Amino acid sequence: DAGVIQSPRHEVTEMGQEVTLRCKPISGHDYLFWYRQTMMRGLELLIYFNNNVPIDDSGMPEDRFSAKMPNASFSTLKIQPSEPRDSAVYFCASSYWGGGSSYEQYFGPGTRLTVT
Amino acid sequence: TQLLEQSPQFLSIQEGENLTVYCNSSSVFSSLQWYRQEPGEGPVLLVTVVTGGEVKKLKRLTFQFGDARKDSSLHITAAQPGDTGLYLCAGPLSGTYKYIFGTGTRLKVLA
Repeated sequence: DAGVIQSPRHEVTEMGQEVTLRCKPISGHDYLFWYRQTMMRGLELLIYFNNNVPIDDSGMPEDRFSAKMPNASFSTLKIQPSEPRDSAVYFCASSYWGGGSSYEQYFGPGTRLTVT
Repeated sequence: TQLLEQSPQFLSIQEGENLTVYCNSSSVFSSLQWYRQEPGEGPVLLVTVVTGGEVKKLKRLTFQFGDARKDSSLHITAAQPGDTGLYLCAGPLSGTYKYIFGTGTRLKVLA
């Protein structure tokens, strides 16, 4: 398997523009997570899905952020309108929970977003 | 609120030295994980510890879970430049499938 795929790898946009980040999870995984990483706040969970259904979006910072998972092989994170403080690296991760007490998350390479 | 604090925040050492990094919390975790993140990449899982007092070894890396399951440590023996990266601990929030990540230790091993 190719692992978790994210696109684009880098995105530079102007304040006020719409940004869409894309993620293809590992086939067969039933959980998908979106994280944001900054030097100040570290790695923060934004939202996660189970079997394509959003379970917890309490980490989504504002209504400007939205995420969808229309099928098991694709998810998007959209920011509209974007602001400079959204600049960060956004990671998508997927996992398969086999019923144990823990599970491994497989992270994509991330999208580095810069909003000017 | 469950939090994971890591120390030190930054560490720069010479090749061949030993080091220990720590992950601490005031809360009990059912398990803790350690990830390593290299520049430009996502975190990669190194190990999961689930039993209080458990020790796991991965080549030159030794991981320990505290007896009370509130803390963990990562010891690296004879560090190499390839060990350079951001080390993150992570634990599941009680009653959820969410993991919280620690503040991270950024390690640089100089040749």
